[in-house]
Amino acid sequence: SQQGEEDPQALSIQEGENATMNCSYKTSINNLQWYRQNSGRGLVHLILIRSNEREKHSGRLRVTLDTSKKSSSLLITASRAADTASYFCASNYGGSQGNLIFGKGTKLSVKP
Amino acid sequence: SQTIHQWPATLVQPVGSPLSLECTVEGTSNPNLYWYRQAAGRGLQLLFYSVGIGQISSEVPQNLSASRPQDRQFILSSKKLLLSDSGFYLCAWNLRGLSEKLFFGSGTQLSVL
Repeated sequence: SQQGEEDPQALSIQEGENATMNCSYKTSINNLQWYRQNSGRGLVHLILIRSNEREKHSGRLRVTLDTSKKSSSLLITASRAADTASYFCASNYGGSQGNLIFGKGTKLSVKP
Repeated sequence: SQTIHQWPATLVQPVGSPLSLECTVEGTSNPNLYWYRQAAGRGLQLLFYSVGIGQISSEVPQNLSASRPQDRQFILSSKKLLLSDSGFYLCAWNLRGLSEKLFFGSGTQLSVL
């Protein structure tokens, strides 16, 4: 399976702390994307990092990509209770339009 | 601005009954359209995608089918539901020609009893 894997599966932190989630994938990618899903809702795109990029920032989000290790990390700084959600990485292998492979997600709980 | 509508939000169906889930996109033309399924606590599994009217690619052989009768309409169907068809179904779109970010609908929670 080409499916990526997030680590940890679940993460519980206090408001104000940083949250780090990791993602591994199996073959060469064009880009890697992170999505957020509130319980019972659709996914929302957060950030995309291309294979030739090593780090990207968007507000309180920081994403890194290490293509030699086939891994990515998502850091949420100064977390808030509203950040409570599941976070998914999605690996884009290029080629046909269907080649976006999602991991199983990290369930983040931020306690006030 | 572009919006995606997916309905119904919740559906409870008996085993053996038919299924029809509809998804429409507004504010864009020629989108790629996708159906995903998410089992409880799991990642997303791509079921079907379409790059144009009448063009359907199936990623996983199963009890489901998809159709795209209009440019911005994508329908997921089944003639006879199985218990294993239960799950959270998500429609999504992105721009044709680009393997870029997906925009998701709000999902349909299907329970087959």
